[in-house]
Amino acid sequence: AQTVTQSQPEMSVQEAETVTLSCTYDTSENNYYLFWYKQPPSRQMILVIRQEAYKQQNATENRFSVNFQKAAKSFSLKISDSQLGDTAMYFCAFGRGNAGNMLTFGGGTRLMVKP
Amino acid sequence: NAGVTQTPKFQVLKTGQSMTLQCAQDMNHNSMYWYRQDPGMGLRLIYYSASEGTTDKGEVPNGYNVSRLNKREFSLRLESAAPSQTSVYFCASKEGLAGSEQFFGPGTRLTVL
Repeated sequence: AQTVTQSQPEMSVQEAETVTLSCTYDTSENNYYLFWYKQPPSRQMILVIRQEAYKQQNATENRFSVNFQKAAKSFSLKISDSQLGDTAMYFCAFGRGNAGNMLTFGGGTRLMVKP
Repeated sequence: NAGVTQTPKFQVLKTGQSMTLQCAQDMNHNSMYWYRQDPGMGLRLIYYSASEGTTDKGEVPNGYNVSRLNKREFSLRLESAAPSQTSVYFCASKEGLAGSEQFFGPGTRLTVL
């Protein structure tokens, strides 16, 4: 079974600064996918970024980027130029590399962006 | 497109009562999922349906049953609700391709007294 660990229950960052959220996972599989989801106070789950394990290049989506270290089983999320709208819970998730693609979620990191 | 819709949004039950949570998606997705989210925790998979006509247990299936009614609809039933089932329930769907994004509904907040 896979496990996903987010070691930072809460973080805060000043508006316009950069913050990094940590995630580690444990798996014996070689083919898998990793995701970061955002959950604002509205409770809606929103995909932030996705990484395929077979790709060495780190994924980037505008102000969001990841540092994927496959050997270390680490998948951190960097948010640049933080905005007030980034305030939310952030969940790291592991997806198995088959069509069923069930997700295993970490416990989440609550991020507060301060003006 | 409405995406993934869930009904009801809120529900209060007494211990022992039964109810069905409804989920529908209009994106022609093959796979559908039910998760629960307890306070301060991540989502945990209850059941999933990789394709129409199939259902499988997830991490926490005890006390629940599911029905994949058709390609659009996937319902979750609590036969005899218990206080431990107080949670927020999310339905999600995705295409059949491995690694594709799961799209989530807005959630149902369920309280069992």
